[in-house]
Amino acid sequence: QVQLVESGGGVVQPGRSLRLSCAASGFTFRNFGMHWVRQAPGKGLEWVAIIWYDGSNKYYADSVKGRFTISRDQSKNTLYLQMNSLRADDTAVYYCVRDRDNKYFDWWGQGSLVTVSS
Amino acid sequence: QSVLTQPPSVSGAPGQRVTISCTGSSSNIGAGYDVHWYQQFPGTAPKLLIYGNNNRPSGVPDRFSGSKSGTSASLAITGLQAEDEADYYCQSYDTSLSGRVFGGGTKLTVL
Repeated sequence: QVQLVESGGGVVQPGRSLRLSCAASGFTFRNFGMHWVRQAPGKGLEWVAIIWYDGSNKYYADSVKGRFTISRDQSKNTLYLQMNSLRADDTAVYYCVRDRDNKYFDWWGQGSLVTVSS
Repeated sequence: QSVLTQPPSVSGAPGQRVTISCTGSSSNIGAGYDVHWYQQFPGTAPKLLIYGNNNRPSGVPDRFSGSKSGTSASLAITGLQAEDEADYYCQSYDTSLSGRVFGGGTKLTVL
């Protein structure tokens, strides 16, 4: 069974950094592109970033470009999101999501809450 | 403001049919990109409901169906049940933004 388990969320002050991790299991991690999708409290879904199956390409939403970095460690079956220069509007539940056919999201983690507040 | 436009809410009585629209533009749905739908219950992660405009993953009841035409798409739910009460999101790709885009979400209430 596919499992995606996020960790690393918490409360952080504006301007500081935080790194999220996502441990993947139940499938061949290196064969799938992976995403981060976030959801602010009471709001809708927002795509954040994608990394290709082999890590060769990465793309970001304009709202996080230059501040966030997506990466993966194939040996550890783990996806990461390094978040720098955090702002209050980055407050959200961050989901680790598996890509399917470079089109849609077929498996979602349970999410990790990041709160940016002084 | 979401790139894809959905009605904030829809409602229907048990057994009825409801539809949720998803309106895009020439840079996403109108450009030929597929539309996908997700169902989300309060406090839980979204779940894939429809992919590739009108395909259901294993385990999704055939009461749920999708369609796409021009710059819009729709999710239809027939034989409405109380457990269908949830938020529904459409998703596609936008060539101007070079990324995945979502609708703002629609809250379905079963009366």
